[in-house]
Amino acid sequence: GESVGLHLPTLSVQEGDNSIINCAYSNSASDYFIWYKQESGKGPQFIIDIRSNMDKRQGQRVTVLLNKTVKHLSLQIAATQPGDSAVYFCAEMDSSYKLIFGSGTRLLVRP
Amino acid sequence: DADVTQTPRNRITKTGKRIMLECSQTKGHDRMYWYRQDPGLGLQLIYYSFDVKDINKGEISDGYSVSRQAQAKFSLSLESAIPNQTALYFCATSDPTSEDYNEQFFGPGTRLTVL
Repeated sequence: GESVGLHLPTLSVQEGDNSIINCAYSNSASDYFIWYKQESGKGPQFIIDIRSNMDKRQGQRVTVLLNKTVKHLSLQIAATQPGDSAVYFCAEMDSSYKLIFGSGTRLLVRP
Repeated sequence: DADVTQTPRNRITKTGKRIMLECSQTKGHDRMYWYRQDPGLGLQLIYYSFDVKDINKGEISDGYSVSRQAQAKFSLSLESAIPNQTALYFCATSDPTSEDYNEQFFGPGTRLTVL
């Protein structure tokens, strides 16, 4: 069946370093992928998205890379800040426009 | 600001009770969703609605029902709550007519505990 998962449950990085959060997906027909950030006590917040016809998309301090050959998605955060500490989810959109979420990676930023 | 609100934010109830969680939005979006989040896990889709007359089951609809009373309101009901329905519940909306038509906007969540 369709599924989206993450390799690392927790990632600890030094403030100022770059962070890379990874995600694997299983449905090669998925057309759209999103990264969400969830801070404690809040709902998920959209960070960045990418369509399957793209390999890379950049935002402000964030970059999403899509490797369709190995069905892998990554989120890169440049110059990680304390405010980046949160749980990050990748999500995949299926053919019925429903989002399928992965289990999340917790990012901890050390001062 | 246009927003997605959920009430209540926290609820403790007993097994067998009927519970209703409310979601309201001022974004003017046609599409609304209910998700459940268990500790340490991602979100699972319970029900979704693409307009007022449209209701669809998600991945985990058993034990839940919904009502789309208006474009702005989407309620989730637990007819007879059980302890394994203890979780965080999120409502979300999306606008199929916008440029970012796949982006979903989430409410703050309702923490439900069933004893």
